[in-house]
This record gives sequence, C-alpha cells and structure tokens, in this order.
Amino acid sequence: EAQVTQNPRYLITVTGKKLTVTCSQNMNHEYMSWYRQDPGLGLRQIYYSMNVEVTDKGDVPEGYKVSRKEKRNFPLILESPSPNQTSLYFCASTPGQGYSPLHFGNGTRLTVT
Amino acid sequence: GDSVTQMEGPVTLSEEAFLTINCTYTATGYPSLFWYVQYPGEGLQLLLKATKADDKGSNKGFEATYRKETTSFHLEKGSVQVSDSAVYFCALSDMGSYQKVTFGIGTKLQVIP
Repeated sequence: EAQVTQNPRYLITVTGKKLTVTCSQNMNHEYMSWYRQDPGLGLRQIYYSMNVEVTDKGDVPEGYKVSRKEKRNFPLILESPSPNQTSLYFCASTPGQGYSPLHFGNGTRLTVT
Repeated sequence: GDSVTQMEGPVTLSEEAFLTINCTYTATGYPSLFWYVQYPGEGLQLLLKATKADDKGSNKGFEATYRKETTSFHLEKGSVQVSDSAVYFCALSDMGSYQKVTFGIGTKLQVIP
C-alpha cells in the first residue's frame, strides 16, 4: 500500500531533550516536506527536500533540522525542543510536479513541557 | 507572496443541507488549486484539484471551480452527510516555486443528524 509513515504518533518530552520524528514513504517520490499544524494558523511548512541531499527552509524553520540521505526517508530533528514547538506535525511527499497532490502521513502530536 | 484565505468555522449544518466553503487566493503565477480534507485523527488527503482556469474538480459529491477572474475556488456539496464532518483545507501550488504549497487555515465542518 502506498503510504507515508510517521513515527511516533504521540510524543511528550521536556525542554532541551533532543528528539527525532521519522518519516518514510514507499512511493519513490522525489519531494518531501514537513509541516506543523496549529489552531488558527493552518499548516505551515518547516523544511522541504527536492531530492536526496537537497533540502531547503520553509516558512518556519527555526529550531528544526532535517536530513535526506535516502530518497524514502526524511527525518525531522529538534535539537533542543522548546514549549513553542508543541504542535501537530505532518510529513508529506509528492512526485514533484506542481499539479501533483501531496500525500500526508497521519501526524505526530508533540508536547514539550 | 502567495496566500489562501478561508473562514475557520466551525460551520455547523444539518444533514442534507447545502454546503459552501469559500476560498480565495493570491498568487503571482498560475497556480494549481486543491481542496484537502482531514478527518479526526488522520492526515490530510486530497479531495479534489483543478490545474487551470475554469477547470472543475469533483469527488465524493464535492465540487469546486477554478475562477481566475475572482481568484476563488469555493467548495460546494449539494447534500452533506454526517460522515462529511472534517476539517477542509484550501491550498495552492505555485508552479514557479516548484512545489511550494500554501494552505489556508482550514474550515471545520460539523454535520448534525
């Protein structure tokens, strides 16, 4: 089944403790991205990647890192999480053409205390 | 920059009522337009799309027409069901920005029996 898989689904952590949210897709898509969803703000792009070893900042990249060592994986890294990073995070992928829709994972709800 | 405007809601309707969710956009190029739906506890999934002016996207009884003159992409359904309760996101993808997808804030729809 074609899908984008994120783990974990839920994560509670404390300020400053490094964490990684994994994302994997099995559709051989070139383009992958991370979004955060907050009430009243909709989805905002954090980082995106157009191919292996090619990443770029989205609208809200501060406090996040990503890597794209393999085509299928695009982990999101929070080196020193803070409470304002409490949010619902989504990974998405697409073949890359502008008219192609995004395929989303089921989300990771992160709480930083 | 690109932007998408939609009401946040919630929109509450009785079953079999007519639904309209307004969406207007600002874009520098010739974007593709999308509606995504998010059911509780899930990621976003594509509902319908339109890639050029006057195109009509349709799926599951929902429709939206790409209106370049009014920069709008309103979502409509003739008769909603309880199962349509979800959050609906309007989005645009600007071809010139290679998969930079801009989302609206999402409109929560509640359908009551």
